[in-house]
Amino acid sequence: GNSVTQMEGPVTLSEEAFLTINCTYTATGYPSLFWYVQYPGEGLQLLLKATKADDKGSNKGFEATYRKETTSFHLEKGSVQVSDSAVYFCALGLSGGYNKLIFGAGTRLAVHP
Amino acid sequence: EAGVAQSPRYKIIEKRQSVAFWCNPISGHATLYWYQQILGQGPKLLIQFQNNGVVDDSQLPKDRFSAERLKGVDSTLKIQPAKLEDSAVYLCASSLWTSPYEQYFGPGTRLTVT
Repeated sequence: GNSVTQMEGPVTLSEEAFLTINCTYTATGYPSLFWYVQYPGEGLQLLLKATKADDKGSNKGFEATYRKETTSFHLEKGSVQVSDSAVYFCALGLSGGYNKLIFGAGTRLAVHP
Repeated sequence: EAGVAQSPRYKIIEKRQSVAFWCNPISGHATLYWYQQILGQGPKLLIQFQNNGVVDDSQLPKDRFSAERLKGVDSTLKIQPAKLEDSAVYLCASSLWTSPYEQYFGPGTRLTVT
């Protein structure tokens, strides 16, 4: 079936450290891939997306590349800030008939000064 | 631009009682979604509306859950009767019909069933 697997958290980093959050997926067809973020006390919001293989999505210093050969979409940031502390969700978008998102379990990131 | 509104934010009920959640999507968003998020898991789609019609309710436990979207705007999700395993955060989201994966989420309703 269709599913998303994320690395377990929490991930704890110091400010200015390099961030990687791993995401792999299983899907039929050619899904689109997304990262959503949930800041404390707020609703989920779209962070970045990639719609086909080798596409790189980027936003707010975060990047992720759609790797079809490894079925992965890892999230990276070169230098994290305290304000990046949040829960990050990887998701795949299924099409055909009706469009829906399948979310991973989420990875909590805590950045300390 | 106002975001997706949900109420109540928190609700505690006993098992076998009923509960209802309300959602007001972003103005102009034709598609509305209800998700269930159990602690430690990602959001799981329960039901998706296009205007006031249901397009996907395959994951909705229809023996106890119901939802409606009157006039294609506000929506209500109801649970009757509630079970302990219904304890979760219920999220409402909306999107433009042309961008179904770019969803805007409300803050959610945290339900505790005792």
